[in-house]
Amino acid sequence: QQQVKQSPQSLIVQKGGISIINCAYENTAFDYFPWYQQFPGKGPALLIAIRPDVSEKKEGRFTISFNKSAKQFSLHIMDSQPGDSATYFCAATDSWGKLQFGAGTQVVVTP
Amino acid sequence: GAGVSQSPRYKVAKRGQDVALRCDPISGHVSLFWYQQALGQGPEFLTYFQNEAQLDKSGLPSDRFFAERPEGSVSTLKIQRTQQEDSAVYLCASSARQGANYGYTFGSGTRLTVV
Repeated sequence: QQQVKQSPQSLIVQKGGISIINCAYENTAFDYFPWYQQFPGKGPALLIAIRPDVSEKKEGRFTISFNKSAKQFSLHIMDSQPGDSATYFCAATDSWGKLQFGAGTQVVVTP
Repeated sequence: GAGVSQSPRYKVAKRGQDVALRCDPISGHVSLFWYQQALGQGPEFLTYFQNEAQLDKSGLPSDRFFAERPEGSVSTLKIQRTQQEDSAVYLCASSARQGANYGYTFGSGTRLTVV
């Protein structure tokens, strides 16, 4: 049973455009919501993370929006660049760190 | 080293063969996790160590899977009598303290192909 549901499965965006990836969860014990970026042949790398007491967090071109009541969160990639082409995973965890990952979104940024 | 090191990077095993996958975490990191990532899927939790203690092994798919971290540093994931459904990338991650918010660093993984 997948505890974190992620959509879309893939998306194509033009350079300079906005990529939006959505995730939903059920377990209210989750208290940390990271996003990971993964390139082929590499392990996931932490991109940005948020706690449920914050509704939005921005780091450079990456923004997480968090809706605690709806149990949903999303990643916005502004001014998308070809180097952002990768697979993005949302995740959720409780206090001791076991990560529940979404199924992933393959993002392709066209020149 | 500066990162989490996994070896081998690639492993091809004949069905029924035993394999051992190694993880060298970042020096001093107390928490160590193993995940399994099937093609086109997100990583799925296998097991967790805090130092040498295996605190959670609820994600191990069967009793053919065994993990150890005897001295609280290097960890080995062993799969006995490999099956085709074991084909996946096996990822190791470590963190300085308990909890993902203290910084989880993943290795590049071992890609296991069972033929």
